[in-house]
Amino acid sequence: GQQLNQSPQSMFIQEGEDVSMNCTSSSIFNTWLWYKQDPGEGPVLLIALYKAGELTSNGRLTAQFGITRKDSFLNISASIPSDVGIYFCAGAKTSYDKVIFGPGTSLSVIP
Amino acid sequence: DAGITQSPRHKVTETGTPVTLRCHQTENHRYMYWYRQDPGHGLRLIHYSYGVKDTDKGEVSDGYSVSRSKTEDFLLTLESATSSQTSVYFCAIRTGETGNTIYFGEGSWLTVV
Repeated sequence: GQQLNQSPQSMFIQEGEDVSMNCTSSSIFNTWLWYKQDPGEGPVLLIALYKAGELTSNGRLTAQFGITRKDSFLNISASIPSDVGIYFCAGAKTSYDKVIFGPGTSLSVIP
Repeated sequence: DAGITQSPRHKVTETGTPVTLRCHQTENHRYMYWYRQDPGHGLRLIHYSYGVKDTDKGEVSDGYSVSRSKTEDFLLTLESATSSQTSVYFCAIRTGETGNTIYFGEGSWLTVV
């Protein structure tokens, strides 16, 4: 079936550093979503992207819908300890299609 | 907050017993989903519903059934729980008639012993 790949799988960074992670698919998607999950809680939607090339920000977070429509990127600027968690990308081929989730990127921030 | 409530939040049950998890939403969304989350597998879709009494299977539906008799409630039933169904279960809703923005509940932790 469809699969999304996320990289890196995990990352350890120093507080204040910028973070970049990406998500790739073998299929073309028309929706990309980015979520953050804290331990013991459900994933929380960070950014939703609906158009190729779209660049959207949410505070220190910026996500982009890749031009090829097969990838998406999430950047976090000036990381802080509360950025720790697992970041999931998700995508769908059409507006009514099921949403597929990537395996996640685990982020650790060293104070 | 997408107005989603899951119950129970935590449950321990014995192998072979039936278990029902409830998802309740307050915002009248048409689409509702049940996912399970396991280490190494991420979030996998079990079943989903696109309206009252309208449901369909996801990628890991074996051993699970669902029912939606009211817009606000989507029930997930493990017919005869097995240890492989020990997992965290998340209910989710989709907002709007177009677009695929999914919002999750807080999760139900199920342990089958």
